[in-house]
Amino acid sequence: DAGVTQSPTHLIKTRGQQVTLRCSPKSGHDTVSWYQQALGQGPQFIFQYYEEEERQRGNFPDRFSGHQFPNYSSELNVNALLLGDSALYLCASNRGQGIYEQYFGPGTRLTVT
Amino acid sequence: GDSVTQMEGPVTLSEEAFLTINCTYTATGYPSLFWYVQYPGEGLQLLLKATKADDKGSNKGFEATYRKETTSFHLEKGSVQVSDSAVYFCALSAHILTGGGNKLTFGTGTQLKVEL
Repeated sequence: DAGVTQSPTHLIKTRGQQVTLRCSPKSGHDTVSWYQQALGQGPQFIFQYYEEEERQRGNFPDRFSGHQFPNYSSELNVNALLLGDSALYLCASNRGQGIYEQYFGPGTRLTVT
Repeated sequence: GDSVTQMEGPVTLSEEAFLTINCTYTATGYPSLFWYVQYPGEGLQLLLKATKADDKGSNKGFEATYRKETTSFHLEKGSVQVSDSAVYFCALSAHILTGGGNKLTFGTGTQLKVEL
């Protein structure tokens, strides 16, 4: 049973560029959430997708956007990258919209120079 | 809003010592509570959970009890091993009233170092 997978593992971008991160949820899961984890901090909720719609959003600017596909996989897009966007981006999945534990992928380490 | 407060680390223990990592929370309603562990260079792994007051979550020798009266969910282990060295995150999940869904609110994490 494949767990949550994310790609790429590492990414280096220049300030002002755009980036797309990808996530495939755990088998049987239909809800995908994205988190940003700055160095030495706990993960911060970016947004959650269910039925191809953004259901909830954390305190992140509109530069952060996402998408969910019919196969439940998801993308996170960040435009106009800032140095402060450097972080580990974690994708998590769960089934349905109740309070279920979320299963995390290994993350994508984004470095903005 | 919801928040989680964890004791600051690093916590350094000798192997076979007793571990306690304190966690308190603030939330509206009745959240579910979780402990996640993060090993170096990896994502988060669910360690244990509790969904209602007085529930005790346990896994791999770790346990935590959901205390509603003290809004706490302290993590304990009777005898730590070197392999337990990691960062531990306390988190809560509260159902979102508008629009459905849930999100995890994390503490800042507590680094545990276990030495021989």
